[in-house]
Amino acid sequence: GQSLEQPSEVTAVEGAIVQINCTYQTSGFYGLSWYQQHDGGAPTFLSYNALDGLEETGRFSSFLSRSDSYGYLLLQELQMKDSASYFCAVRDRNSGYSTLTFGKGTMLLVSP
Amino acid sequence: EADIYQTPRYLVIGTGKKITLECSQTMGHDKMYWYQQDPGMELHLIHYSYGVNSTEKGDLSSESTVSRIRTEHFPLTLESARPSHTSQYLCASSGSESYNEQFFGPGTRLTVL
Repeated sequence: GQSLEQPSEVTAVEGAIVQINCTYQTSGFYGLSWYQQHDGGAPTFLSYNALDGLEETGRFSSFLSRSDSYGYLLLQELQMKDSASYFCAVRDRNSGYSTLTFGKGTMLLVSP
Repeated sequence: EADIYQTPRYLVIGTGKKITLECSQTMGHDKMYWYQQDPGMELHLIHYSYGVNSTEKGDLSSESTVSRIRTEHFPLTLESARPSHTSQYLCASSGSESYNEQFFGPGTRLTVL
């Protein structure tokens, strides 16, 4: 089966940079996605990595190392509105690569 | 505007009642999903569909059933609600070119008394 590990909570101040790590154990790994979910809201897609390296989208970047079964989400110039839960999710051989398995989520608290 | 809708947003119901949670999307997506999420916890996949007349069970055992008669519609039914079904239910869809970017509806928060 699959397992994903990410920290349960991370705190930071406005303007800072924060990194949320995700390690995974899967069979036939295909890619790693990141989602953001504000309290009481729906998850929204942030990024996807299938290949090793860094993908940048504005203030957010995502990194993947397939050999280390590891990825991270990097948030720069933190804003109060970034306070939310962040989930990593893998797509793998389970269910024929057609579904995502989500981690338990990391709650990011941004303070002034 | 292309979107994904869920009704009702909130539902409080007594034990033993039959309920149907509605999900519709206007994005023309072929794949649709139902997740269960307790507060502060991860999303658990309970059902998914590749397209019309396709339904599959997810990783989390569920007493619910789904149907996919139309592309845009993916309702979830609980024949006999129990307090253990109290949770948030999230519907999502994704297009034929991407399994990785799923679009989520606002969710239905279900409480079974």
